[in-house]
Amino acid sequence: EVQLVESGGGLVKPGGSLRLSCAASGFTFSSYSMNWVRQAPGKGLEWVSSISSSSSYIYYADSVKGRFTISRDNAKNSLYLQMNSLRAEDTAVYYCARFYVDTGGHFDYWGQGTLVTVSS
Amino acid sequence: SYELTQPPSVSVSPGQTARITCSGDALPKQYAYWYQQKPGQAPVLVIYKDSERPSGIPERFSGSSSGTTVTLTISGVQAEDEADYYCQSADSSGTYLVFGGGTKLTVL
Repeated sequence: EVQLVESGGGLVKPGGSLRLSCAASGFTFSSYSMNWVRQAPGKGLEWVSSISSSSSYIYYADSVKGRFTISRDNAKNSLYLQMNSLRAEDTAVYYCARFYVDTGGHFDYWGQGTLVTVSS
Repeated sequence: SYELTQPPSVSVSPGQTARITCSGDALPKQYAYWYQQKPGQAPVLVIYKDSERPSGIPERFSGSSSGTTVTLTISGVQAEDEADYYCQSADSSGTYLVFGGGTKLTVL
């Protein structure tokens, strides 16, 4: 059974940093691209960042470029998101999601999310 | 940056047909995907590659595409279908992923 478990969320002050982790199990982690998607309270889904299976290709949404860094450790079946210079508008539930490429691509498995709150 | 546009809300009575649209300039070139999200839960894929239905998704869910608009159709809507629905695709280069703003489906 595919499982994605996020951790590392919490309350942080504006300008602060936080590192999210996602532990993957039940599939060959090193074969899949992985993504972070967030959802602000009462708002819609927003794609944040993606990383290819071997970390060769990394992309970010304009809203987080230069502040967030995605990475992975295939030996540990783990995905990470280092978030720096956090702003109030970064407050959201952050989901780790597996990306299935099929002449396009979609998110086929999601974690339950971890809440990040940026507030003084 | 690239955007997908959805209506904020759609309301239907049980047994009727709900149609939710999603518009974007790159949709003729990129596939669209649809997710259902219920409160407090992670999204669930209900349509992939414009019109394909994953296993386990009821037949009343279908998808179609025409030009720059894709449509999620739910035939014979049931109370359990009340949820937020999001379309997802990519920009014309296929590099950057994007979600529509979401549509709240209300079953009257």
